[in-house]
Amino acid sequence: DQQVKQNSPSLSVQEGRISILNCDYTNSMFDYFLWYKKYPAEGPTFLISISSIKDKNEDGRFTVFLNKSAKHLSLHIVPSQPGDSAVYFCAASEAGKSTFGDGTTLTVKP
Amino acid sequence: DTGVSQDPRHKITKRGQNVTFRCDPISEHNRLYWYRQTLGQGPEFLTYFQNEAQLEKSRLLSDRFSAERPKGSFSTLEIQRTEQGDSAMYLCASRHLAGGLQQFFGPGTRLTVL
Repeated sequence: DQQVKQNSPSLSVQEGRISILNCDYTNSMFDYFLWYKKYPAEGPTFLISISSIKDKNEDGRFTVFLNKSAKHLSLHIVPSQPGDSAVYFCAASEAGKSTFGDGTTLTVKP
Repeated sequence: DTGVSQDPRHKITKRGQNVTFRCDPISEHNRLYWYRQTLGQGPEFLTYFQNEAQLEKSRLLSDRFSAERPKGSFSTLEIQRTEQGDSAMYLCASRHLAGGLQQFFGPGTRLTVL
């Protein structure tokens, strides 16, 4: 029973356009959500997070939206750059322990 | 701050052998996590420590797996009697309780069991 799902294994966008990565969860006890980015041969690196008491958090080109009633969050990257090409993992935290989705591979074409 | 380091980066072993991996977290990070990642999947939680205490271990984790963090600094993960299904990337992460919830990951140890 996968508690965090990223239903799109891959996404391809043109440079300068918006990238939208989606994540769904089932456990209503999750109180914090995080996005990580992973390049090949490296461990995941933290990108942005949001508390369950908020519905939006923005950091430069990255914005995370949370819809608690739908148990859905999304990561928006605007404008997308070729260097953003990586695997993006959604993670949900309960009592400090994180559960990860299976990732979405983003490819940004020049 | 040198980041989280893991050793070795790659390990090839024969089925039935024991292997041990090491993780050095960021200095003064009191939480340390171990994950396993297979191709096409996200990191799967194995266990975590707060200082030297092992606070939780995944119910899915075989008893062939054991982890220690004897002095609350580095940690080791041992797999006994390895099986081909143990082939995966083993990731270590750390964080400070007083910091945010984001974890800092090492580069991982890739295990191949022949």
